[in-house]
Amino acid sequence: GAVVSQHPSRVICKSGTSVKIECRSLDFQATTMFWYRQFPKKSLMLMATSNEGSKATYEQGVEKDKFLINHASLTLSTLTVTSAHPEDSSFYICSARVRGRGADTQYFGPGTRLTVL
Amino acid sequence: QQQVKQSPQSLIVQKGGISIINCAYENTAFDYFPWYQQFPGKGPALLIAIRPDVSEKKEGRFTISFNKSAKQFSLHIMDSQPGDSATYFCAGHVDYKLSFGAGTTVTVRA
Repeated sequence: GAVVSQHPSRVICKSGTSVKIECRSLDFQATTMFWYRQFPKKSLMLMATSNEGSKATYEQGVEKDKFLINHASLTLSTLTVTSAHPEDSSFYICSARVRGRGADTQYFGPGTRLTVL
Repeated sequence: QQQVKQSPQSLIVQKGGISIINCAYENTAFDYFPWYQQFPGKGPALLIAIRPDVSEKKEGRFTISFNKSAKQFSLHIMDSQPGDSATYFCAGHVDYKLSFGAGTTVTVRA
């Protein structure tokens, strides 16, 4: 199956700093990657959709200046949480749509636990 | 608003029993309905999926039943095992995006 990795798996930072999370598709090219946020015991909330070489599309209510997304290649997308605050603490998960296969298959990464002190 | 409603929120089943999770949707544009399994601290993993022109799909111990006219679908886990203890999410897909249900935490007692 398609493998998606995320780095780091967990990060603790001080309030006001910026944190970058990487999402990589390891054995396939991903035309589209997605970023989700998940609170404890809650469902996944789509934050944004990123397409390689173009600007990300953000869901309503998601601050694009706070959550910077870059999709520089067909195998890498990054999410940068700028000026992080404690309320940004969450589980961030990326997924990738497999290029060339059924458009409806998304494979998820293992997630990144962000804790802002 | 949540486009996919999932129930129950949690369930407990004995080893060997059947777990049943139900989902209902409103958006008739959904063209694909996957189920994901998530363990604590991990990302969701695709379990099984169905398209709306199919009424049932079975893969091993997992079966999806789909009722297009009622806009409902369900996941049946047969012969539930302790290793099946996880949170399960149903979802609807349209325009390359997934809308997830709220999730069901399944606990299988040995």
